[in-house]
Amino acid sequence: DAGVIQSPRHEVTEMGQEVTLRCKPISGHNSLFWYRQTMMRGLELLIYFNNNVPIDDSGMPEDRFSAKMPNASFSTLKIQPSEPRDSAVYFCASRPFFTGELFFGEGSRLTVL
Amino acid sequence: GQQLNQSPQSMFIQEGEDVSMNCTSSSIFNTWLWYKQDPGEGPVLLIALYKAGELTSNGRLTAQFGITRKDSFLNISASIPSDVGIYFCAGLTGANSKLTFGKGITLSVRP
Repeated sequence: DAGVIQSPRHEVTEMGQEVTLRCKPISGHNSLFWYRQTMMRGLELLIYFNNNVPIDDSGMPEDRFSAKMPNASFSTLKIQPSEPRDSAVYFCASRPFFTGELFFGEGSRLTVL
Repeated sequence: GQQLNQSPQSMFIQEGEDVSMNCTSSSIFNTWLWYKQDPGEGPVLLIALYKAGELTSNGRLTAQFGITRKDSFLNISASIPSDVGIYFCAGLTGANSKLTFGKGITLSVRP
């Protein structure tokens, strides 16, 4: 079975540009999570969805960040406008309902110059 | 908010040695999970624990769910170079709640 698929794996962009990260969760998983990882702050939960509905977005840094899940097989995390401090690895993860077992994608490494 | 404490931040051991890591919290968790992250990859689930006192093994890895439900331990026996990576503990309060992650322990294994 395919795991969580993220794209792009690497993105280098200039400050002010819009960035869109994409995620395809594991088929049949009902919950989807977006995390950000940096050396300083470790793994931070940005937002999570249950059945395509955002449940908790308290980790989204500010209005420049937005996330959508239009259907069960696709989610996006958008940063507009991007800033150098947004440079990090962004992970998408999914899990089936009623288990805690989260499965992570390989991450999207974002560098904002 | 809920926090999971992992320390030290880094551990250095010799190949063949056993190593133990613990994870503590002031809050109660109903599920404990241990993940390993290799460089350039996403975290991978190693072991999941669902009952207080539960002891579970996965090859050379053994993990325990503390009786108080506020801690968990991961032991790696007979370490090998590929054990190098970052080990995260994570806790869950309810089936559909969000996971709380520790900051991770970076393990280095000297050949």
